[in-house]
Amino acid sequence: GQQLNQSPQSMFIQEGEDVSMNCTSSSIFNTWLWYKQEPGEGPVLLIALYKAGELTSNGRLTAQFGITRKDSFLNISASIPSDVGIYFCAGHPNSGYALNFGKGTSLLVTP
Amino acid sequence: EPEVTQTPSHQVTQMGQEVILRCVPISNHLYFYWYRQILGQKVEFLVSFYNNEISEKSEIFDDQFSVERPDGSNFTLKIRSTKLEDSAMYFCASRGSGQGEYSHRGYTFGSGTRLTVV
Repeated sequence: GQQLNQSPQSMFIQEGEDVSMNCTSSSIFNTWLWYKQEPGEGPVLLIALYKAGELTSNGRLTAQFGITRKDSFLNISASIPSDVGIYFCAGHPNSGYALNFGKGTSLLVTP
Repeated sequence: EPEVTQTPSHQVTQMGQEVILRCVPISNHLYFYWYRQILGQKVEFLVSFYNNEISEKSEIFDDQFSVERPDGSNFTLKIRSTKLEDSAMYFCASRGSGQGEYSHRGYTFGSGTRLTVV
């Protein structure tokens, strides 16, 4: 399947700092999604992006669908301890609605 | 808020044994999925199911795997003869009938079943 490269692999930051993570693909995606996974839980959708260049916010989270359709970033502003978790990008391949996930960015926030 | 419910939360089985993982999707959803996540790795698509048949499956979903919707509420994943490498978290997901741009907004994952094959 199409490969998604997500970076960084992990981040260790202080409360109040801003966070940025990104995802790149070797080929074009028509949809970019960002999920958060907490221990013992399934992924929860944070932001969905459907158009190249689209910039979407959800509270302190902002994500953009790259113009080339091969990348996306997620920013978290003014991080708080409950932001801790693993953040996954996911793309919608051309066939069906199966999701192709990145390897995740593990975020740790210290008070 | 509606949830996707998975049972059991943990399952330990011996290599070669059959296991059935159970899911109760959100009641008015029409599309059902199984994903797995090997410890420390990414979430991987296994299979999608719609209108009582498989609509898409990945290379991982070989003949050892099968899915079934035995009644109006349950959706199961069966692994016939488990291998050590089947140890993973298995997530069920469901979504409603939204198409295209809206298709992912109702895409809900369960909390997963942790399968350990020994």
